[in-house]
Amino acid sequence: DTGVSQNPRHKITKRGQNVTFRCDPISEHNRLYWYRQTLGQGPEFLTYFQNEAQLEKSRLLSDRFSAERPKGSFSTLEIQRTEQGDSAMYLCASSFSGRATEAFFGQGTRLTVV
Amino acid sequence: DAKTTQPPSMDCAEGRAANLPCNHSTISGNEYVYWYRQIHSQGPQYIIHGLKNNETNEMASLIITEDRKSSTLILPHATLRDTAVYYCIVRVGRDDKIIFGKGTRLHILP
Repeated sequence: DTGVSQNPRHKITKRGQNVTFRCDPISEHNRLYWYRQTLGQGPEFLTYFQNEAQLEKSRLLSDRFSAERPKGSFSTLEIQRTEQGDSAMYLCASSFSGRATEAFFGQGTRLTVV
Repeated sequence: DAKTTQPPSMDCAEGRAANLPCNHSTISGNEYVYWYRQIHSQGPQYIIHGLKNNETNEMASLIITEDRKSSTLILPHATLRDTAVYYCIVRVGRDDKIIFGKGTRLHILP
């Protein structure tokens, strides 16, 4: 069990470009969450999956954001036409619904839009 | 929106007990109190949770008032590695999404 893995750890992109982040949850965890965190604030919930089904999306997740978890294992978060306001830490967490385990978070991907 | 209120920052001397308060006056009967912490540049880390009774594990103790409107997280012997932002969260259970507030920034002083 190597924990929740997120790649890349850092991404610098120009405004208007598309970016994609990947999250590999803990093996067998069926729930996967995405959060966004800006400086000085707590993480903000974006969306979550149970297996491959996306069960909830925050209003923070604009049309430029899309998340997938095609086979119920790893997940990707894509941001299209990035804006400077998208600069943040993007965190992924996973858990196993129905088991006595808590959610584990990854180290995050820090996005800087220039 | 977060359902808890925490002081923005606190100081504690190394080796002393750190007591972090949290108000959750609108907590529902089926909601648990959870604590997470976030060390700089890392993802949040689960610490402890409870419903009504006080709880203790290897990291901390959680004291919940009888009316459940407030709680205190206790780190019994704070070390420099406990410097972090501590988040108090109420949620229905493990399957409920975690809604973070701004937390308390705890500084452990040498």
